[in-house]
Amino acid sequence: DAKTTQPPSMDCAEGRAANLPCNHSTISGNEYVYWYRQIHSQGPQYIIHGLKNNETNEMASLIITEDRKSSTLILPHATLRDTAVYYCIVRASFTGANNLFFGTGTRLTVIP
Amino acid sequence: GAVVSQHPSRVICKSGTSVKIECRSLDFQATTMFWYRQFPKQSLMLMATSNEGSKATYEQGVEKDKFLINHASLTLSTLTVTSAHPEDSSFYICSASHAGTDTQYFGPGTRLTVL
Repeated sequence: DAKTTQPPSMDCAEGRAANLPCNHSTISGNEYVYWYRQIHSQGPQYIIHGLKNNETNEMASLIITEDRKSSTLILPHATLRDTAVYYCIVRASFTGANNLFFGTGTRLTVIP
Repeated sequence: GAVVSQHPSRVICKSGTSVKIECRSLDFQATTMFWYRQFPKQSLMLMATSNEGSKATYEQGVEKDKFLINHASLTLSTLTVTSAHPEDSSFYICSASHAGTDTQYFGPGTRLTVL
């Protein structure tokens, strides 16, 4: 699975949009971009995933560049409850292994 | 959304005892379940992958005789830490996925403390 690079930490003011970048320059054609987050002492929570088109759901938007070498997770109106570690994971879908490799992620702190 | 539960949420045990952790998919049939552990201030590390009715596949460095995994039904997987020692103290997290989708849903985790 392709390696991802994320900034170790970011701050965001409450109510503003949080934009979390992820570089995945070695991504291959059949690999998806997944985002999970982990609030302290809880299990990871699925946020969103995509292949090449931008995606939006009730939690966030995922913007993938045309060359697919990077992506941005957007939380449109960050709240204090969005403070967590956000993981960008790239992996082929429907593989036999099916596991997720968690890197170090980005620790997002939403500031009142 | 899909819900995965774990029990217990936290457990404290004496060194040398065995501890069983349950992972259940509440509203879907989990064809594959995964077990991760997370040490303080570190990321999740995959321990093993289990498919219902098959033997688990362990990651390199994970002792299969120490971490027994059973996935006897499509809604339940168990992880038994045998002869636990203080270095096994960690946050154990399971996840599950079902046929036709590649999204994994995670349980809330079990914090194990071995005295």
